[in-house]
Amino acid sequence: KAGVTQTPRYLIKTRGQQVTLSCSPISGHRSVSWYQQTPGQGLQFLFEYFSETQRNKGNFPGRFSGRQFSNSRSEMNVSTLELGDSALYLCASSPLPGGEAFFGQGTRLTVV
Amino acid sequence: KNEVEQSPQNLTAQEGEFITINCSYSVGISALHWLQQHPGGGIVSLFMLSSGKKKHGRLIATINIQEKHSSLHITASHPRDSAVYICAVISMSGGSNYKLTFGKGTLLTVNP
Repeated sequence: KAGVTQTPRYLIKTRGQQVTLSCSPISGHRSVSWYQQTPGQGLQFLFEYFSETQRNKGNFPGRFSGRQFSNSRSEMNVSTLELGDSALYLCASSPLPGGEAFFGQGTRLTVV
Repeated sequence: KNEVEQSPQNLTAQEGEFITINCSYSVGISALHWLQQHPGGGIVSLFMLSSGKKKHGRLIATINIQEKHSSLHITASHPRDSAVYICAVISMSGGSNYKLTFGKGTLLTVNP
């Protein structure tokens, strides 16, 4: 059974640009969550999607958004990138919300 | 004060030593994860538990719901156990929504 797949693995963008990251969950998993990891703040919850609906959102500005498709694949988008958005973005999938989370390898975003 | 506190922040051990990493939390939870993150970013879920004790190989995780405390033990530690160990709690947020809140992690280095 394939694990959680995140693409791309690495990305370099300039300030002001926008970026879209993709996450394909484990087959059969319907809940997808996104997290940001930085050296200073550690891992922080961004948002969770289940059945194409955003169920929960962390304390991030509106520049961070996401969506989930009918096949449970999810994308997150960051608009008007800032230097501080440089981070490892991790996606996790679960069969259902609150279940055991399985993490992808992450996308390392560098904003220059 | 963080909702999830881990100790110690850094731990250096000699191969073969018994290791304990602690996690205390201040919110009501439905379950707790112990995660392992190696350099490069990928996160692996070691345990998800809501009561008692779980064992997998040389790893043991315990949780005391009344005391809001969990421990991760590694017996006969090995250099390949060197990683960051992260405690994460699953709590309810706004009705039936779940979210993961993370500790800052414990950097374990096991020397040969």
